[in-house]
Amino acid sequence: GAGVSQTPSNKVTEKGKYVELRCDPISGHTALYWYRQSLGQGPEFLIYFQGTGAADDSGLPNDRFFAVRPEGSVSTLKIQRTERGDSAVYLCASSTKGVGQHKYFGQGTRLTVV
Amino acid sequence: QKEVEQDPGPLSVPEGAIVSLNCTYSNSAFQYFMWYRQYSRKGPELLMYTYSSGNKEDGRFTAQVDKSSKYISLFIRDSQPSDSATYLCAMGGGSNYKLTFGKGTLLTVNP
Repeated sequence: GAGVSQTPSNKVTEKGKYVELRCDPISGHTALYWYRQSLGQGPEFLIYFQGTGAADDSGLPNDRFFAVRPEGSVSTLKIQRTERGDSAVYLCASSTKGVGQHKYFGQGTRLTVV
Repeated sequence: QKEVEQDPGPLSVPEGAIVSLNCTYSNSAFQYFMWYRQYSRKGPELLMYTYSSGNKEDGRFTAQVDKSSKYISLFIRDSQPSDSATYLCAMGGGSNYKLTFGKGTLLTVNP
């Protein structure tokens, strides 16, 4: 596609529910990143995929958060037992492989836990 | 102390003004320095990218990096109302895959 696509744009869920957020990167981009942006803050790193494998998941806040990228393209961020503190904009970015490559961000999924 | 400090503003200037945005950082391993622009309810868009110290100019935008002072700046000349957005500084280390962002500065350019 022309850019990084994230669905849904907005998600409202009840506390304790499970949610899945989807990211469709730019075609041909092997690197994929998830960031979380809370209100009034800059994006914070969550996880980085190179191909199908998670090369660095050190930013995932706890074991309720999990992400997959089974075929090396689309990625899904999964959050179990959602809490109100999980409310934020979840951003996905992709890039070609290599140091210093330009990261292209999607528009984000705004998650609200009520 | 956070790794990257950025004054969140807000900053309001008249059209045509020169805007100066700044970040300081504490991690001497940072080698890549970026400025992103983020419009309301949109994802960040890369504006400027600098490796190590020095200046880089692109149209009305100039990025400066001073590694000795751990200080980076973005200058916007002849600011336009369309420049109204949040500006985020971001930095990366040797691998660059993980970026550390500042909080962002909200800029409004008034016509």
